[in-house]
Amino acid sequence: QSVLTQPPSVSGAPGQRVTISCTGSSSNIGSNYDVHWYQQFPGTAPKLLIYGNSNRPSGVPDRFSGSRSGTSASLVITGLQAEDEADYYCQSYDSSLTARVFGGGTKLTVL
Amino acid sequence: QLVESGGGVVQPGRSLRLSCAASGFTFSNYAMHWVRQAPGKGLEWVTLISYDGRNEYFADSVKGRFTISRDNSENTLHLQMNSLRAEDTAVYYCARDRTTLGFNAFDVWGQGTMVTVSS
Repeated sequence: QSVLTQPPSVSGAPGQRVTISCTGSSSNIGSNYDVHWYQQFPGTAPKLLIYGNSNRPSGVPDRFSGSRSGTSASLVITGLQAEDEADYYCQSYDSSLTARVFGGGTKLTVL
Repeated sequence: QLVESGGGVVQPGRSLRLSCAASGFTFSNYAMHWVRQAPGKGLEWVTLISYDGRNEYFADSVKGRFTISRDNSENTLHLQMNSLRAEDTAVYYCARDRTTLGFNAFDVWGQGTMVTVSS
C-alpha cells in the first residue's frame, strides 16, 4: 500500500488528453512538499519528467505538465502519442515517515 | 552518468555491497539516493546521503540493515546490505538529487543492478 495513491492504469487515443492523479495526505503533499513525476519504460531506468510540481527538465516536451493542489497532484499529457506509453510515478516527501515516497505507479496505454 | 555494480544472487542472511560510479558532473555537489524496484512492482526509495556524507536517511524497511556511504575523491557511492531477506530482491538504482541535501527530485539515474536473495 503506497503512501501516495495513483490509478493503476489510464488510457487514451492518440491526440487526446489524459490526466494521472496522485493523492496524498496532510503529512506529504498536503504539507506543501513538492511533487515530482517520473516516466519509466519497461526494462529501463526511470526518467525525471516533472520536478517541483510543475517544472519540466530540459528536453521534456511541453505536452507534459504538472500541478499540485491541496493533498493531490496531477500529471497531464496532451496530444497523446504512441511513444508516451509507459509507467508514470509521482514522488514526494512524507514528514511522518521522514522518507521520500513514491506512488504505486500508473500504466498509460495509448489505444 | 551513473553506473551501478555489485548485484548478484545471495543467500538470505548474507551481505552484499553495491557501488555506483559517477562521471560527467561534480559528484561532491549532490546528494545521492538508492531506489529499488522489486520484479513487477513499483519504485521504493531506500536511502539518501547528503553531498558531504554527513547526513543519511533510510526507509524503515532497511533501517539497521543497510548503510550508505560515499567517496567524493573517487566519485563513488556505496550501499552495504546486511542481513538480506527475500523481500530485498529488486533492481537497485542509484540516483542523483537535484540538490546538496536531498530534498528535491532525482534527476540522473543509473541503469540499475539486480539483487536476488534466494537460497
